[in-house]
Amino acid sequence: GIQVEQSPPDLILQEGANSTLRCNFSDSVNNLQWFHQNPWGQLINLFYIPSGTKQNGRLSATTVATERYSLLYISSSQTTDSGVYFCAVGGGATNKLIFGTGTLLAVQP
Amino acid sequence: DGGITQSPKYLFRKEGQNVTLSCEQNLNHDAMYWYRQDPGQGLRLIYYSQIVNDFQKGDIAEGYSVSREKKESFPLTVTSAQKNPTAFYLCASSMGRLENTFGSGTRLTVV
Repeated sequence: GIQVEQSPPDLILQEGANSTLRCNFSDSVNNLQWFHQNPWGQLINLFYIPSGTKQNGRLSATTVATERYSLLYISSSQTTDSGVYFCAVGGGATNKLIFGTGTLLAVQP
Repeated sequence: DGGITQSPKYLFRKEGQNVTLSCEQNLNHDAMYWYRQDPGQGLRLIYYSQIVNDFQKGDIAEGYSVSREKKESFPLTVTSAQKNPTAFYLCASSMGRLENTFGSGTRLTVV
């Protein structure tokens, strides 16, 4: 099956700093999503981005499908950005997702 | 507002008991999924269903059972055969190849 690797595993930032999270995947995909898991466990969908570039406020994401990676950019980080960021991919005939192990982000005031 | 509702938020199970977790969606999505998350880990797929009255095993189906009698509902039963059921359970749904939407989860603890 498809393997998903995320880096870095942990990241500590000062408020206002920028960061880039990376997701590598081992095969072609037809679905790629970035999620933020808040301290209560809820998964919040940030981007549906199987290819191309999208922006939403301080967040943006780029997926280069031919090279099998995706990047999530967080600019001017805030303490509320803290939590775990997951990349998940889907391929084949179904839309089931395979998750990476996540990046734990801590933004300090 | 459309969305996915999971209940209960917290559930405690005694050894040897079966428990059922509820997942209801009003998004008119065809496909539904159950995932399990252990502390510090990503999510792993338990079962999924692409249409009513049909479902397939995911990567960790042993000790679990599901049903899909209605498009809106996809309950998950954690049976006594599941040896380590303490985890966070998340339900999701999707339409076609579009994005998956997740519920807020159920935390199951064995006491």
